Amino acid sequence: EAQVTQNPRYLITVTGKKLTVTCSQNMNHEYMSWYRQDPGLGLRQIYYSMNVEVTDKGDVPEGYKVSRKEKRNFPLILESPSPNQTSLYFCATGFASGRQETQYFGPGTRLLVL
Amino acid sequence: GNSVTQMEGPVTLSEEAFLTINCTYTATGYPSLFWYVQYPGEGLQLLLKATKADDKGSNKGFEATYRKETTSFHLEKGSVQVSDSAVYFCALRNANFNKFYFGSGTKLNVKP
Repeated sequence: EAQVTQNPRYLITVTGKKLTVTCSQNMNHEYMSWYRQDPGLGLRQIYYSMNVEVTDKGDVPEGYKVSRKEKRNFPLILESPSPNQTSLYFCATGFASGRQETQYFGPGTRLLVL
Repeated sequence: GNSVTQMEGPVTLSEEAFLTINCTYTATGYPSLFWYVQYPGEGLQLLLKATKADDKGSNKGFEATYRKETTSFHLEKGSVQVSDSAVYFCALRNANFNKFYFGSGTKLNVKP
């Protein structure tokens, strides 16, 4: 079964405590991406990766890091979380070529930073 | 730059009513256009897409036509059902295939 898995699904943390949200896919997709969803703002792209070891900034990368050491995994790292990073986070995957446009979204991670 | 603007919600309709959710975009080059649907507590699912001008995407009774002259991709359905209640997002993928831009979402409530 095609899957995009995110962990954890819910997280409450405190300002400054480093955290990692994992994303894993079993579809052999080259393209992976992280988004945050905030009320009234829709989804905004944080970082994306076109393939292993190839990552780049989206529209809102400040305060986040990513890595892509393996094709199936794309963790999102918050080195020093702040309350304005409280949000709903989605990982998405897809093919990098233009012929396959579909993105597959994970179930989301709800983060609260106190 | 690239951006997507969609009509604010919520939109409340009675079952079997006609639905239109407006979406306009700003983009350089030739983007691809999408509608995604999000049901409560879930991630986004692709509803339909169009990759070039005048393409019509369709799925589950929903349709949208890529109009380059009006930079629009309006979502329509002839007869909505209660099960269509969800949040709908219009999105574009840029011509380089690397970035996505989403609208703010439109919540649809369908009453029996």
